[in-house]
Amino acid sequence: SSELTQDPTVSVALGQTVTITCHGDLLRSYFASWYQQKPGQAPVLLIYANNRPAGIPDRFSGSHSGTTSSLTITGAQAEDEADYYCNSRDIGGKLLLFGGGTKLTVL
Amino acid sequence: ERELVESGGDFVQAGGSLRLSCAASGFSLGPFWMSWVRQAPGKGLEWVANIKQDGSENYSVDSVKGRFTISRDNAKNLLFLQMTSLRVEDTGAYFCATEDSSSWYHYFGLWGRGTLVTVSS
Repeated sequence: SSELTQDPTVSVALGQTVTITCHGDLLRSYFASWYQQKPGQAPVLLIYANNRPAGIPDRFSGSHSGTTSSLTITGAQAEDEADYYCNSRDIGGKLLLFGGGTKLTVL
Repeated sequence: ERELVESGGDFVQAGGSLRLSCAASGFSLGPFWMSWVRQAPGKGLEWVANIKQDGSENYSVDSVKGRFTISRDNAKNLLFLQMTSLRVEDTGAYFCATEDSSSWYHYFGLWGRGTLVTVSS
């Protein structure tokens, strides 16, 4: 099916490591990209094809296996508290999809 | 600095129309597929539509087919979204974004700050 599934909420203690996952059959064919969105702001690209764009801190990393793409934050900071979305193409390759989003709380 | 700026969002009655614009500065839109992405209040991101570099192909989510039309003017570095037969559920922030992709990945590289569309019943 053409769906991307994310856990709605995840929490992490300050300085600890957290992994946010994105599941979907279509991820057998495509790697997900990841976006961070803070309240009232536009999304920002964090990871694509397991790569970090320039300017993204190296505590953010991506991985992919089978039908799951993952975003890992190693040493979470208070400013990482935000909504995180995954994105990919659908099974047919023409349409685009987002996961439902994960709200990350840094404790 | 590369920037996208959306405009045209407004308060409109259900059944009405709006035309959103997205202006690029600091770079050319020409080489990019371009997308509109929306976000209802308190909800997640939803891809709406995209258009090929030369405008020869475009795709959209089923909920807007026949009502929304995406277009572009590369000479003026502009992207548009013509929205007709608006519904209350079309309310939200509308973002434009550049696309990059290969056969095994896709991403939205640069986003605008968004423009707000409010549709009342």
